[in-house]
Amino acid sequence: QLQLQESGPGLVKPSETLSLTCTVSGGSISSSSYYWGWIRQPPGKGLEWIGSIYYSGSTYYNPSLKSRVTISVDTSKNQFSLKLSSVTAADTAVYYCASFPSGGDAFDIWGQGTMVTVSS
Amino acid sequence: QSVLTQPPSASGTPGQRVTISCSGSSSNIGSNTVNWYQQLPGTAPKLLIYSNNQRPSGVPDRFSGSKSGTSASLAISGLQSEDEADYYCAAWDDSLNGQNWVFGGGTKLTVL
Repeated sequence: QLQLQESGPGLVKPSETLSLTCTVSGGSISSSSYYWGWIRQPPGKGLEWIGSIYYSGSTYYNPSLKSRVTISVDTSKNQFSLKLSSVTAADTAVYYCASFPSGGDAFDIWGQGTMVTVSS
Repeated sequence: QSVLTQPPSASGTPGQRVTISCSGSSSNIGSNTVNWYQQLPGTAPKLLIYSNNQRPSGVPDRFSGSKSGTSASLAISGLQSEDEADYYCAAWDDSLNGQNWVFGGGTKLTVL
């Protein structure tokens, strides 16, 4: 059974870069069976898709965040990562990583989420 | 402001049937399938319905989904106290601004 776990700093200063990692267990991140994605949820608000990546390295980003987002895969560690630059308080949120089956229709397995606060 | 529109709240008594609506446009619901997620308090979202009306393994058949035109609905029959949660609809959006997964603002379901 696929499991995902987010990790990274819980506090980031304004204008700096937010960096998070999602560790995948129970399956290979190099598998063509999945896309991998990041979704966030500001406190008390709804969900926002940040972007997704395929094992081949192909990336897909939310147009509203595209200029600040980089998602990458580290096959040696079975991880994928999120970098969000020039953060502001508006980027304070719970960040989730999730899997999306190739040929499927939805993010089917989610990590537990990690809270990131942007504050000086 | 969310791209997909949901009522902020819904409620029902145990055993009742409730429905939650999700309204979009031709660039998302009108041309792509709809998914529904359930988020229990303090937990990550869980996939409840995919491809408009399909249930993942383990999801009770009390939950059902439908789509018509640019709107979708989630129905919960035989309401139970453990159904109290936030529910989100989602769809792929192909617009002039680019391609994007979009979500509704969420509906908080209260079991009275």
